[in-house]
Parts: sequence; C-alpha cells; structure tokens
Amino acid sequence: EIVLTQSPGTLSLSPGERATLSCRASQSLSNNFLAWYQQKPGQAPRLLIYGASSRATGVPDRFSGSGSGTDFTLTINRLEPEDFAVYYCQHHGGSPPVFTFGPGTKVDLK
Amino acid sequence: EVQLVESGGDLVQPGGSLRLSCAASGFSVSNNYMGWVRQAPGKGLEWVSVFYSGGSKYYTDSVKGRFTIARDDTRNTLSLQMSSLRTEDTAVYFCTKGVYSGRTPLMAFDYWGPGILVTVSS
Repeated sequence: EIVLTQSPGTLSLSPGERATLSCRASQSLSNNFLAWYQQKPGQAPRLLIYGASSRATGVPDRFSGSGSGTDFTLTINRLEPEDFAVYYCQHHGGSPPVFTFGPGTKVDLK
Repeated sequence: EVQLVESGGDLVQPGGSLRLSCAASGFSVSNNYMGWVRQAPGKGLEWVSVFYSGGSKYYTDSVKGRFTIARDDTRNTLSLQMSSLRTEDTAVYFCTKGVYSGRTPLMAFDYWGPGILVTVSS
C-alpha cells in the first residue's frame, strides 16, 4: 500500500509570494497518476493538477505541478487571496487499484 | 453543464443502514468512472469506493463488506448502500466523476458534488 506524505503541514505566506508544497510517496509511482486538489472551508475539493503536471480545465497558470518517482511538488506562483486553502495530493495505483489521498497542506495568511 | 447532487444523508445509530444517492446531469454515468470520497469532521479526504465504466468496483479496506456502490444508467445516478455503520463512518460524503483525456482515464476526479453529511451516533 502506497502512503502519501505532504509537507509542510501548514505554510504561512503573504499574497504575492510563492508557495511550494511537497507530496512524497512511500514507493515510486511508476504510472505518474498523481493529482492535486484545492479545498476551501465548506466547499468540495477542486481538481488542479492531474498526471503530476497537467493543469485541469480553468486552472490559472500560476499553479504548476512537477515531479516523478516518489517526490512531487505543487507550486503556486504569486499567491492570490483566493489561493489560501488546503491542498491535497492523490494517487491511484496498487493491486487492487485504489485511490489514496495525502493528509493535506494548509496554506494560510501570514 | 456537469452537475452532481448527493442526497440521503441522515443521523443513524451505530449498526444501522443508510443509502446515499448521487444524481448526475450533463453527462452519462455509464461512460465514466464514478466514485465516493468522504471527509470526517475537521479531517482530510478519504477515498471510499469507485465504479468503473466497465462495471468493476473497488472499496477502501475499512468499508469492504459493509458498503456497496451501484449505478443506475436509466436514472443516471450513482448510489452507496451503507450497512453496519460505525461512528467512524461519520463524514461528509462527496460523489465524484472521473477525469479523462479523450477516452483515457486519468485516475483523478474533476467534478464533485457539494457533499452530504452522514452522522453515526447513538
């Protein structure tokens, strides 16, 4: 079973700064099925990135995903006020194939 | 426009049963993989179950044998029958739709319902 670890748990930043969020897998993700979601309080999650680096429809280009193997990164350039939220990474794989979420990183206002 | 709307959430006693439904519009559930994801109060996201377009179904270990996912192509709905409910099943349950590139499933979820609360308590 693959376990996803996200760091840091909380990231305190100001608008305009860059946010770098990490997602580390306990085993190499050979299929690169790694996604990132944003969730604001009281709302459903929103898909940002799939396939480790492809932006979902309508996602601003200040959001970018990178990485392979066990280490993946979500970068948010020039934080906007609406970007303060919790971010989750998610993987699909294994036998039987299951979906796994990381514990989340909260990006809050410094 | 793609929309997912869950219903059926309630307060139920431990050991009880509940059936959640998800009404889909703007697409056909039969042509997509669909799933349920839950979030306990103040906690993170937990995948619960998935129903693939070809008919395969999978569950997270903690609900195997207790939850059953089903699809009604005529009504364009997804459901989750939950039995032997435990206090740890208390959560907001989200209905989700899988994302594709063309006909290739990308193993993520691009549309989510607003969620429905299930409370298991005596």
